[in-house]
Amino acid sequence: DAGVIQSPRHEVTEMGQEVTLRCKPISGHDYLFWYRQTMMRGLELLIYFNNNVPIDDSGMPEDRFSAKMPNASFSTLKIQPSEPRDSAVYFCASTPGGELFFGEGSRLTVL
Amino acid sequence: GDSVTQMEGPVTLSEEAFLTINCTYTATGYPSLFWYVQYPGEGLQLLLKATKADDKGSNKGFEATYRKETTSFHLEKGSVQVSDSAVYFCALLFMNRDDKIIFGKGTRLHILP
Repeated sequence: DAGVIQSPRHEVTEMGQEVTLRCKPISGHDYLFWYRQTMMRGLELLIYFNNNVPIDDSGMPEDRFSAKMPNASFSTLKIQPSEPRDSAVYFCASTPGGELFFGEGSRLTVL
Repeated sequence: GDSVTQMEGPVTLSEEAFLTINCTYTATGYPSLFWYVQYPGEGLQLLLKATKADDKGSNKGFEATYRKETTSFHLEKGSVQVSDSAVYFCALLFMNRDDKIIFGKGTRLHILP
């Protein structure tokens, strides 16, 4: 079975550019989570969805960040405009309830 | 609020040494407890879990016992291997409450050959 699929795996961009990260959760999983991981701050929950509806976005750092889930099989995390401090690995995870299944992450570097 | 505290790393051990990574939690009620592992360049994956007091989770030679009296879920392995080098995260979850897993900060483990 395919796991959680994220794209791109690596993204290098310049400050001020728009960045879009994509996630396809495991089919049948009702919950989808977006995390950010850095050496300094560790693993941070940004936002999560239940049945495509955002439930808690209190971890979204600021208005430059937005996330959508237009259907059960696709979600995006957008950063506009990007800044160097956004450099991190962004993980998507899904679950039917309980154990989380993580994607391999999208490593973002903002120059 | 609910939280997880785990020992800070990095932890460096020689191959075949005994491993303990401490984890304690603060929660109102009785959550499910998890250990996740993150190998270099990968996402987190579930290592083991326990859903009620005195349960023991085990996988790949690792074990952890849910101790309600000490609110702990320490991870142990009797003989570590170089391939166990990774970051280990302790986590808790209240099923059917808010469905949001709370992670500890992670403990990096280095195993020397």
